Amino acid sequence: NAGVTQTPKFRVLKTGQSMTLLCAQDMNHEYMYWYRQDPGMGLRLIHYSVGEGTTAKGEVPDGYNVSRLKKQNFLLGLESAAPSQTSVYFCASSLGSKEQYFGPGTRLTVT
Amino acid sequence: AQSVTQPDIHITVSEGASLELRCNYSYGATPYLFWYVQSPGQGLQLLLKYFSGDTLVQGIKGFEAEFKRSQSSFNLRKPSVHWSDAAEYFCAVGAGGNKLVFGAGTILRVKS
Repeated sequence: NAGVTQTPKFRVLKTGQSMTLLCAQDMNHEYMYWYRQDPGMGLRLIHYSVGEGTTAKGEVPDGYNVSRLKKQNFLLGLESAAPSQTSVYFCASSLGSKEQYFGPGTRLTVT
Repeated sequence: AQSVTQPDIHITVSEGASLELRCNYSYGATPYLFWYVQSPGQGLQLLLKYFSGDTLVQGIKGFEAEFKRSQSSFNLRKPSVHWSDAAEYFCAVGAGGNKLVFGAGTILRVKS
């Protein structure tokens, strides 16, 4: 039981490049989330999903897109990366309104 | 809108001393409350949670937290801190629709 896994762990992009971050969970959770963590700001919700095939915007969705084609996977895409998207990205999953389980994070630098 | 305030950005305590990390929340209904811990370079680990019932909740690693509705607080405590407790601690409130709102975090330093 791996819990929540994220790939890649690190990535450096140039401004304007695109990439996809992959999150996978093996706990059969319905809900999945993408957060970004910036110093002094805690975690801020980017997008979330309440089930396969559904997604919704969080607090800071601009510049990001997501897809949940399979229940166990939640993808976060950056179509045209900007330096302001330099951050640590965390994926999480949960069973309803219960606690969220977090992945180890992806450290992204945009130059 | 829901919000969480952690007034202390950094706290330094001596090993073996007691610890209290403050958390105040703003939420119109009965909240779900959580404390998470993050070690450097790691993801977030759940320490404890409050959904209902007993207002004093016990968590892992010897931590506890007390929900005080009248003060809109959910402070985290530990009677004796160990060097391995040095980390960043986040308080979070369930914001409805299964979303969490996090505080900005408190960095705990432990001096020997």
